[in-house]
Amino acid sequence: NAGVTQTPKFQVLKTGQSMTLQCAQDMNHEYMSWYRQDPGMGLRLIHYSVGAGITDQGEVPNGYNVSRSTTEDFPLRLLSAAPSQTSVYFCASSWTGVDEKLFFGSGTQLSVL
Amino acid sequence: AQSVTQPDIHITVSEGASLELRCNYSYGATPYLFWYVQSPGQGLQLLLKYFSGDTLVQGIKGFEAEFKRSQSSFNLRKPSVHWSDAAEYFCAVGAPHAGNNRKLIWGLGTSLAVNP
Repeated sequence: NAGVTQTPKFQVLKTGQSMTLQCAQDMNHEYMSWYRQDPGMGLRLIHYSVGAGITDQGEVPNGYNVSRSTTEDFPLRLLSAAPSQTSVYFCASSWTGVDEKLFFGSGTQLSVL
Repeated sequence: AQSVTQPDIHITVSEGASLELRCNYSYGATPYLFWYVQSPGQGLQLLLKYFSGDTLVQGIKGFEAEFKRSQSSFNLRKPSVHWSDAAEYFCAVGAPHAGNNRKLIWGLGTSLAVNP
């Protein structure tokens, strides 16, 4: 099993550009989530999903969109990138929720110039 | 409001020494409690978790943690640290009594350095 796969690993954007961070899992997990990690601020939840067609906001959803058309995929879209979105992004999944072991991807390092 | 505090931002220990990383939480009932580890350039990996029952929990890589209700703490311990334990350690709390299995509250992390 590949686990949780994130692409790309690194990305540089200019302010105002849009892009999609990909996340895929092959464990048939219902719960998927996106976090951003910034120095001194720990992990902050952006969006999460408890199954195909169901998404909800986390702590810091502004500037990001998500959709969940399949169980396997949970892409994160930056609509108009801003320097404040420079961060490391992690996708995580589990069977049904955070009361179970979360499986994390290896992260995407994003710089917005 | 629920919160998680990891009082130590950075800790340095010598290889072979014992380790204790502190975690304190604020919550009205017994929460779910987790410790995750993040090696440099990697995602997080679950070390151990506590839901109920025995307050001393064993995890992977020789780690253990003890839940102390009276102190609202869930400290992580290891008897003898290895150089490969150098990483960032995160404590996290879930709120089962709120019926919420969708979000965790994360501490800010403790960075562990290991001297040879």
